[in-house]
Amino acid sequence: AQRVTQPEKLLSVFKGAPVELKCNYSYSGSPELFWYVQYSRQRLQLLLRHISRESIKGFTADLNKGETSFHLKKPFAQEEDSAMYYCASLSGNKLTFGGGTRVLVKP
Amino acid sequence: EAQVTQNPRYLITVTGKKLTVTCSQNMNHEYMSWYRQDPGLGLRQIYYSMNVEVTDKGDVPEGYKVSRKEKRNFPLILESPSPNQTSLYFCASSLSRTGELFFGEGSRLTVL
Repeated sequence: AQRVTQPEKLLSVFKGAPVELKCNYSYSGSPELFWYVQYSRQRLQLLLRHISRESIKGFTADLNKGETSFHLKKPFAQEEDSAMYYCASLSGNKLTFGGGTRVLVKP
Repeated sequence: EAQVTQNPRYLITVTGKKLTVTCSQNMNHEYMSWYRQDPGLGLRQIYYSMNVEVTDKGDVPEGYKVSRKEKRNFPLILESPSPNQTSLYFCASSLSRTGELFFGEGSRLTVL
């Protein structure tokens, strides 16, 4: 079974500092990878997907097949980035989520 | 408004009492899925459905049943709930298996 690992349960950063959320996957094929985000009192929603190669809300994520990683980065964190972030990997018809990382951006 | 609707949002029940959590989407999505969310474990897929009458097991299907008789509905059935099924459940749908998943608000279930 595929596995998605997010090693940090909690990331606390100050406003304006860079933030990086780590994600490693186990799928050996050609993965489709996503980042989902859940803001307080909101539904879980798609943040970005690797095939789009786009930046959403200042976040980017690069797929590194050699390291089987899909880390999420933002150079200057904002308070509104405080949320729960989930990395996910699509294998066949199954979408597997990591355990999630809670990000707290302090003023 | 395009959305995924789950009911009930909160439920406390007792061991062995059958219950159904309904899920409905109004976006004509083909793919629907159920997840449970537990602290430290993230979201784990219970069952998914590629289309009407097509369902398959996810990673943690034991103790659950689903059906997909209509495209818009994908109920989750707990025939004989047990305390280890106490969890937060999410239904989600997407246009296709690779599409953006749209989530419901979640259903918090407690089994005593």
